[in-house]
Amino acid sequence: AQTVTQSQPEMSVQEAETVTLSCTYDTSESDYYLFWYKQPPSRQMILVIRQEAYKQQNATENRFSVNFQKAAKSFSLKISDSQLGDAAMYFCAYRGNAGNMLTFGGGTRLMVKP
Amino acid sequence: DGGITQSPKYLFRKEGQNVTLSCEQNLNHDAMYWYRQDPGQGLRLIYYSQIVNDFQKGDIAEGYSVSREKKESFPLTVTSAQKNPTAFYLCASAELWGQGSTGNTIYFGEGSWLTVV
Repeated sequence: AQTVTQSQPEMSVQEAETVTLSCTYDTSESDYYLFWYKQPPSRQMILVIRQEAYKQQNATENRFSVNFQKAAKSFSLKISDSQLGDAAMYFCAYRGNAGNMLTFGGGTRLMVKP
Repeated sequence: DGGITQSPKYLFRKEGQNVTLSCEQNLNHDAMYWYRQDPGQGLRLIYYSQIVNDFQKGDIAEGYSVSREKKESFPLTVTSAQKNPTAFYLCASAELWGQGSTGNTIYFGEGSWLTVV
């Protein structure tokens, strides 16, 4: 079974600075996707970024980028120029080709200080 | 407007009562899911379905039941056997692995709050 671990229950960052959220996963599959979802106080799950395992290039979406280390099974999220609206719970998630399911980490609460 | 609609947003259940949460999607997705989220916790899979009239148990299926009579609908019933049902429930959908153009992304509804009174 796949597992996803987020070792940082809480993080804080000063507005306009950069923060990195960590995620590690365990799998025996070779073909899979990794995701970061943002959950603001409204509880809506919003896709931030996704990474295909067979792509070596790290995904980037505006101020959000990932550092995908396949051999180390690590998938960190970097948020640049942090904004107050970035404050939320962030979940790392894994989807492999067996079972079509999405497995989540425990989440990291990000606080942004003005 | 394409998306996933969950209703009701807030629901109160009395002890011993069954309640049903609705989930409808118009994204033409084959796969649908129900997740439970407790305060300050991650998401745990209750049930999922990849095709009409078929579904599989997730990690915490006890005390819950589902049906998938139509592709676009996947209602979740919280039965009286679920002893601690107070939580936030999220429905999600996706194209089957490797199909379509959404990069195997799973999309979520806005959720339903269930409280036992």
